[in-house]
Amino acid sequence: QVQLQESGPGLVKPSQTLPLTCTVSGGSISSGIHYWTWTRQIPGKGLEWIGYIYYSGRTYFNPSLRSRLTMSVDTSKNQFSLNLTSVTAADTAVYYCARTAPSHNHFDYWGQGIQVTVSS
Amino acid sequence: QSALTQPASVSGSPGQSITISCTGTSSDIGDNKYVSWYQHHPGKAPKLLIYDVNKRPSEFSDRFAGSKSGNTASLTISGLQADDEADYYCSSYTTNDTPYVFGTGTRVTVL
Repeated sequence: QVQLQESGPGLVKPSQTLPLTCTVSGGSISSGIHYWTWTRQIPGKGLEWIGYIYYSGRTYFNPSLRSRLTMSVDTSKNQFSLNLTSVTAADTAVYYCARTAPSHNHFDYWGQGIQVTVSS
Repeated sequence: QSALTQPASVSGSPGQSITISCTGTSSDIGDNKYVSWYQHHPGKAPKLLIYDVNKRPSEFSDRFAGSKSGNTASLTISGLQADDEADYYCSSYTTNDTPYVFGTGTRVTVL
């Protein structure tokens, strides 16, 4: 059974960088079959797709976040990560990592999410 | 890219059937077969419930059914059970700059 687990700080100060990591178990990031995705749920709103990374390091980002976003993958640790710079209160959300099946364009496994609050 | 529109809440009694709508545009739901639904019990990982409009992972029973007409997708839950009380989100692949869009989410309450 594939499992994903997010980790990172629960509280980030405005203008700082938010680093999050997703650890994958029960499946290999290096399989080359899937994309590895970040989404978030802002309070009172639905889910927002942030972007994905392929095991090779190729990325695709939401245009609204592209200028502040980087992603990386560590195949040796079976992890992928997100860095969101210059955060504001508008970035307060529950962040989820998920596995994307590109052949069907759906998200077949998710982490349980991590609450991130941007506040001084 | 605007979110897909879902009703904020839907409720039903045990045993009843309910339907959740998910309205998009000709650039997303209306343009392809890649519509999916997710069940989310708060505090837990969301689960893939329906994919490719009407296919189900083996984990879920045929009480859950997906369909699509034009720019609107629907999820029907039959024989409502207490454990069905959760948040439900639709999603679609899109031909816009953002390849995936989600719905606004529907809270299902079992009365």
